[in-house]
Amino acid sequence: QVQLQESGPGLVKPSQTLSLTCTVSGGSISSGSYYWSWIRQPAGKGLEWVGRIYTSGRTNNNPSLKNRVTISADTSKNQFFLKLSSVTGADTAVYYCARAPVIGAPYYFDDWGQGTLVTVSS
Amino acid sequence: QTVVTQEPSLSVSPGGTVTLTCGLSSGSVSIGYYPSWYQQTPGQAPRTLIYSTNVRSSGVPDRFSGSILGNKAALTITGAQAGDESDYYCVLYMDNAIWVFGGGTKLTVL
Repeated sequence: QVQLQESGPGLVKPSQTLSLTCTVSGGSISSGSYYWSWIRQPAGKGLEWVGRIYTSGRTNNNPSLKNRVTISADTSKNQFFLKLSSVTGADTAVYYCARAPVIGAPYYFDDWGQGTLVTVSS
Repeated sequence: QTVVTQEPSLSVSPGGTVTLTCGLSSGSVSIGYYPSWYQQTPGQAPRTLIYSTNVRSSGVPDRFSGSILGNKAALTITGAQAGDESDYYCVLYMDNAIWVFGGGTKLTVL
């Protein structure tokens, strides 16, 4: 059973860069069978897909976040990362990492982390 | 940018049937969007209910079913129970390899 665990600072100052790590256990992020995504949810609001990374290092991001998103991975540590630059209060949210199958019955989120709250405030 | 639409809120009586829908601001939802549905209670991560339009995730009771109704994806709950009171989200996989979530439906069982 795969497990995903988010970690990172809970407080980030405006205009700085938010950095989060998702540690995956029980499965390899380099298997090629999954996309690894970040999803966020402001308090009291809906879910928003932030972006994803594939084994090859190829990434896709939500266009609404302009070019502020960078997703990368360290396969030796079985971790992938989110960096969101130039943050404002609108980026305050619970951030989830999740995986989505590439083949078979694809393109849905079959496992999620528990989420981590990031607050943007001075 | 494409907007995925959901009813903001719905209510159902215990034992009743309710259908939640997932549409597009422009165009029709088809199986090619791989619609999936998630249930979320306050303070918890989403739980996967349905994927690839109509496939139930492991452990999901058959009271939950997915389909395409007209030009929308749909999640139908039959024999609604108090424990089904949650927020429900659909998400569609777009041509440009991104996912777009609907705004969510708050389901009340009363």
